[in-house]
Amino acid sequence: KQEVTQIPAALSVPEGENLVLNCSFTDSAIYNLQWFRQDPGKGLTSLLLIQSSQREQTSGRLNASLDKSSGRSTLYIAASQPGDSATYLCAVITGANSKLTFGKGITLSVRP
Amino acid sequence: NAGVTQTPKFRVLKTGQSMTLLCAQDMNHEYMYWYRQDPGMGLRLIHYSVGEGTTAKGEVPDGYNVSRLKKQNFLLGLESAAPSQTSVYFCASSRATGGGTGELFFGEGSRLTVL
Repeated sequence: KQEVTQIPAALSVPEGENLVLNCSFTDSAIYNLQWFRQDPGKGLTSLLLIQSSQREQTSGRLNASLDKSSGRSTLYIAASQPGDSATYLCAVITGANSKLTFGKGITLSVRP
Repeated sequence: NAGVTQTPKFRVLKTGQSMTLLCAQDMNHEYMYWYRQDPGMGLRLIHYSVGEGTTAKGEVPDGYNVSRLKKQNFLLGLESAAPSQTSVYFCASSRATGGGTGELFFGEGSRLTVL
């Protein structure tokens, strides 16, 4: 059974800092991995999707990397801003049934 | 630009009552999912569908039923609500790709309280 872990559960950084959010998974036979953002009381917004054949994806100040062999992904946020404060979740798809397994998320707070 | 729409957004039920949550997507996606999100438990898959007329059980299906009579709609039903079903419910959809599902799009959530 696939398990996805995100540690730490919460993180507080000063504005302007570059930061890395980690995601690890137990079964390396994944189809793809997605990073999501969730604001309080809202749904999930997709940030980046990395296919299993890819090593990284970039969107603006965000860069996500994938190392299938070690079961790890990182989300890099450059020059963090207070507006980046949210919960960030990673999810992996394993197997042909296309079900996602989610981590519990990292709640990020960027202090002005 | 509706995307994924969930109705209702809020609902309070008494134990034993029934209700249906509706999810509608306008992106012609094949796959649709229902998740529940609880503090400390993360997102857990209730049921999912890989196409019109198909449904399958997820991680926590007990107490719920689903139907996908039309490609754009995925209904989640609670036949006899219990306090343990108090949660925030999210619907999601994605297109099918050669390597599994594509990018997932989520609705805004439906907050259900069972008294």
